[in-house]
Amino acid sequence: SQKIEQNSEALNIQEGKTATLTCNYTNYSPAYLQWYRQDPGRGPVFLLLIRENEKEKRKERLKVTFDTTLKQSLFHITASQPADSATYLCALDTGRRALTFGSGTRLQVQP
Amino acid sequence: DAGVIQSPRHEVTEMGQEVTLRCKPISGHNSLFWYRQTMMRGLELLIYFNNNVPIDDSGMPEDRFSAKMPNASFSTLKIQPSEPRDSAVYFCASTLTRGEEKLFFGSGTQLSVL
Repeated sequence: SQKIEQNSEALNIQEGKTATLTCNYTNYSPAYLQWYRQDPGRGPVFLLLIRENEKEKRKERLKVTFDTTLKQSLFHITASQPADSATYLCALDTGRRALTFGSGTRLQVQP
Repeated sequence: DAGVIQSPRHEVTEMGQEVTLRCKPISGHNSLFWYRQTMMRGLELLIYFNNNVPIDDSGMPEDRFSAKMPNASFSTLKIQPSEPRDSAVYFCASTLTRGEEKLFFGSGTQLSVL
């Protein structure tokens, strides 16, 4: 069955460093992959979408890569700030024509 | 734009009671999704509608769960009878279906079944 794996352990980094989060998937070849941010008590908020024919996508301090051979997406936040602390979720269409989400990785940026 | 509006924000009920969660999607969006989030299982897709028609309800856990979308601006998710294991945060999301849709989520309903 389709699995979407994100590191369940929290990622703690120092302010100013680059945070790198990983999303791995199996048994599917999605046409695109999305990343969302979720703050406590709130719904997920869309950040970036990357298509299968794109290697990399950037938006301000955010960068996403998509390796369809490895079946992996990496999400980078450069010059991280305490305000970047949140849970980050990857999501892709697993054949239901609707997004299936990974379990998310909690990022904590220490000042 | 008010965004996706869900009500109630919190719901506490006793086992066996009927629970109805409500959702108003963003005006103009034609797809609506119900997700459930728990620590153990993460964010799970329960059901989604396109143009008010249910497309995929394979994520609905049991017959105790039902969802309706009587018009483009309103949807309900009903649990009858509720059980403690239904305790979770229920999210509604909407989008305009054009391919590669990004979802807009509501703030969720925190359901506690005692």
